[in-house]
Amino acid sequence: NAGVMQNPRHLVRRRGQEARLRCSPVKGHSHVYWYRQLPEEGLKFMVYLQKENIIDESGMPKERFSAEFPKEGPSILRIQQVVRGDSAAYFCASSPNIGGEAFFGQGTRLTVV
Amino acid sequence: SQQGEEDPQALSIQEGENATMNCSYKTSINNLQWYRQNSGRGLVHLILIRSNEREKHSGRLRVTLDTSKKSSSLLITASRAADTASYFCATDGETSGSRLTFGEGTQLTVNP
Repeated sequence: NAGVMQNPRHLVRRRGQEARLRCSPVKGHSHVYWYRQLPEEGLKFMVYLQKENIIDESGMPKERFSAEFPKEGPSILRIQQVVRGDSAAYFCASSPNIGGEAFFGQGTRLTVV
Repeated sequence: SQQGEEDPQALSIQEGENATMNCSYKTSINNLQWYRQNSGRGLVHLILIRSNEREKHSGRLRVTLDTSKKSSSLLITASRAADTASYFCATDGETSGSRLTFGEGTQLTVNP
């Protein structure tokens, strides 16, 4: 009974490259959330998706960032042309329904060099 | 200031003592959750308390919610060195849907 699985755990990218972060929610969960955590700070909401739909992307920068949750396969958070300021831990969470307990993955730590 | 603020920012106690952390928020909520994060790791869900609940227990954890003061507290009794971690409260509000708004966290250190 696997929890939320994120990969890779660590990702190093040079400035200008693309970063792809993957999240497989708990089996049966159709709600996925992405959060970003800068060092010594709390998590900041980025985007909320249900299968094939973006429900709320109010926390995601308009430029360079995109997210998807296809009918089959994991949710993907994509960051194009990464900059040093994108270095952070990115966490994915899933829940079975609205307002329920959210289960978090171990995060992907992105370092932009 | 932002939704979901914890205080104190840092707390250092001896093993066996109780630790109390507080969280304040600004807008109406549906639920308030507490999470723990060990350094460099993911978040572990501790407890969820709904807006119509006032107190909830889980093992050594006790959470209270006062919606009139828009505040919550997390009490860890008989603390252990393994409780050393950052603790975050997170709210999902009537206007924010199911997304969680996190505070900046309380760093708890339990000295053996």
